[in-house]
Amino acid sequence: TAGITQAPTSQILAAGRSMTLRCTQDMRHNAMYWYRQDLGLGLRLIHYSNTAGTTGKGEVPDGYSVSRANTDDFPLTLASAVPSQTSVYFCASSDRGGETEAFFGQGTRLTVV
Amino acid sequence: GQNIDQPTEMTATEGAIVQINCTYQTSGFNGLFWYQQHAGEAPTFLSYNVLDGLEEKGRFSSFLSRSKGYSYLLLKELQMKDSASYLCAVVDSNYQLIWGAGTKLIIKP
Repeated sequence: TAGITQAPTSQILAAGRSMTLRCTQDMRHNAMYWYRQDLGLGLRLIHYSNTAGTTGKGEVPDGYSVSRANTDDFPLTLASAVPSQTSVYFCASSDRGGETEAFFGQGTRLTVV
Repeated sequence: GQNIDQPTEMTATEGAIVQINCTYQTSGFNGLFWYQQHAGEAPTFLSYNVLDGLEEKGRFSSFLSRSKGYSYLLLKELQMKDSASYLCAVVDSNYQLIWGAGTKLIIKP
């Protein structure tokens, strides 16, 4: 089973350009999340979706947008990248939100130059 | 505000026992997770506590005291492969996860 997959694995992006990070899960989980992980700061929630068709803002949503058109996919878009968005991005899913364990994708290492 | 505190780094010897502490102050409490994250990899689930007490799972155990806002992860018979970061995460009143910064555990032979 694939579980949860992210693409691309890594990317170098010029400042001002847009980019979409892809995330797909095959576990039929209701909840999906996007986190960024920076050294010394731990995981910070960017956006989340408790079920298909709904999304919510996390701790650090500015500069990012998401959509949840179906259960499986949860893409994250950077409209105009800035160097402070250089980070490792993790997508995760869970069956019943915070009540159940989250499964993480392998991460996307993004460098904005 | 919401806060999760863990030591930044710990060192232990192969075969020994280590305890990683986590204290929290959050708006509500609906459970506490521990995850393991090897360098360059994704976090993976270790344990979940929602009631006070000790949960044992093989070489790993996790303890929770809700009245003290405190948890620990106990790793026994340490192996070199246990070298990783250990992340504490609390489920708040909105059922969102609040993450600690993680504890980097270094195992020495």
